[in-house]
Amino acid sequence: ELKVEQNPLFLSMQEGKNYTIYCNYSTTSDRLYWYRQDPGKSLESLFVLLSNGAVKQEGRLMASLDTKARLSTLHITAAVHDLSATYFCAVDSINFGNEKLTFGTGTRLTIIP
Amino acid sequence: GAGVSQTPSNKVTEKGKYVELRCDPISGHTALYWYRQSLGQGPEFLIYFQGTGAADDSGLPNDRFFAVRPEGSVSTLKIQRTERGDSAVYLCASSLQGAQWNEQFFGPGTRLTVL
Repeated sequence: ELKVEQNPLFLSMQEGKNYTIYCNYSTTSDRLYWYRQDPGKSLESLFVLLSNGAVKQEGRLMASLDTKARLSTLHITAAVHDLSATYFCAVDSINFGNEKLTFGTGTRLTIIP
Repeated sequence: GAGVSQTPSNKVTEKGKYVELRCDPISGHTALYWYRQSLGQGPEFLIYFQGTGAADDSGLPNDRFFAVRPEGSVSTLKIQRTERGDSAVYLCASSLQGAQWNEQFFGPGTRLTVL
């Protein structure tokens, strides 16, 4: 059974600070996804990481993937209030094609002014 | 273009009743997924359609849950004899067949409350 764990589960940080969210998964998978969810809203796709060593950046967020360690990180640089949300990582089957996503429990990020 | 839409946005029902939740995927997306999200948790997979057929229904919790997609577009999730434990947000997602990666686009969800 594929398991996905995130830590921390809750994170409060001050504006301007840097921090990293970690996502570990239990079985081989080449594809990892990061989503953002605002309270009462649906999930917004942030990043798709397809291979070992993949790094993607969008604004103050940067995601990376280490398939050998089965680890992805989401790094936040100089946090701003607008980044407050819950962040989920998800993985799917190593096989190409359309497969179900297995999600982590999420990291609820609160940026304090 | 239009994203994934779901109706109703909220549904309140009584224990034992039957409910239907509807999902309209992004036009041209042949893959459609249903997930369930409980408070404070990540989405959990229920069922996946490729075209009209259910390719994987391993996430359906029991036989009270059933989903259809008769014409390969709109899908309906049906729950019989609802129980209080069925209360959750039901999310629908769609993705493009044949893409190298499986980026799924989610709808706004239906919040189901069983009293």
